[in-house]
Amino acid sequence: NAGVMQNPRHLVRRRGQEARLRCSPMKGHSHVYWYRQLPEEGLKFMVYLQKENIIDESGMPKERFSAEFPKEGPSILRIQQVVRGDSAAYFCASSPGLPDSGNTIYFGEGSWLTVV
Amino acid sequence: SQKIEQNSEALNIQEGKTATLTCNYTNYSPAYLQWYRQDPGRGPVFLLLIRENEKEKRKERLKVTFDTTLKQSLFHITASQPADSATYLCALDGDSNYQLIWGAGTKLIIKP
Repeated sequence: NAGVMQNPRHLVRRRGQEARLRCSPMKGHSHVYWYRQLPEEGLKFMVYLQKENIIDESGMPKERFSAEFPKEGPSILRIQQVVRGDSAAYFCASSPGLPDSGNTIYFGEGSWLTVV
Repeated sequence: SQKIEQNSEALNIQEGKTATLTCNYTNYSPAYLQWYRQDPGRGPVFLLLIRENEKEKRKERLKVTFDTTLKQSLFHITASQPADSATYLCALDGDSNYQLIWGAGTKLIIKP
């Protein structure tokens, strides 16, 4: 049973370009979360999605950032017109149900975005 | 807003000893608290979850305590090994039933 798969693992973009980060949840998991981690800081919640629905995007900047989890295919976190401050590790996680019901959240290995 | 504090200084422990990490939180009464391990360049890996009505939880060499009066959780690794060296993160449930609030983590170094 493959874990949460993220790609690319490392991505370098010039300022103004677009970054697309992909996440395939674990088999059978319908809940997907995206978190951002800056050096020496804790993970920050960005967005929570279920198939074809954005449940909560309150942690995501209103501009330039978007996320989707289509019926078929991976979840995508898209960052348009990247700036240096977007450089971070972006982690995707999935769970079979909600965490408060005792469901474990499984994280991918992360996508490290560097904006030059 | 909720705030979680973990010791930002690295913790150096001699192999075989018990390592104890601390997680303090303010402005909140979480329903549960979780501990994760994160290795450099990798994603967090779930270790243990403890609920507000539980005082203690164990899993092999790991033990977690949860004191809702002190607003503190302690994470213990007994008979520590160099392979236990990693950053350990605590997280608690946020305002929603799906969002986790994270501490910045404590780096643990087990010296042989």
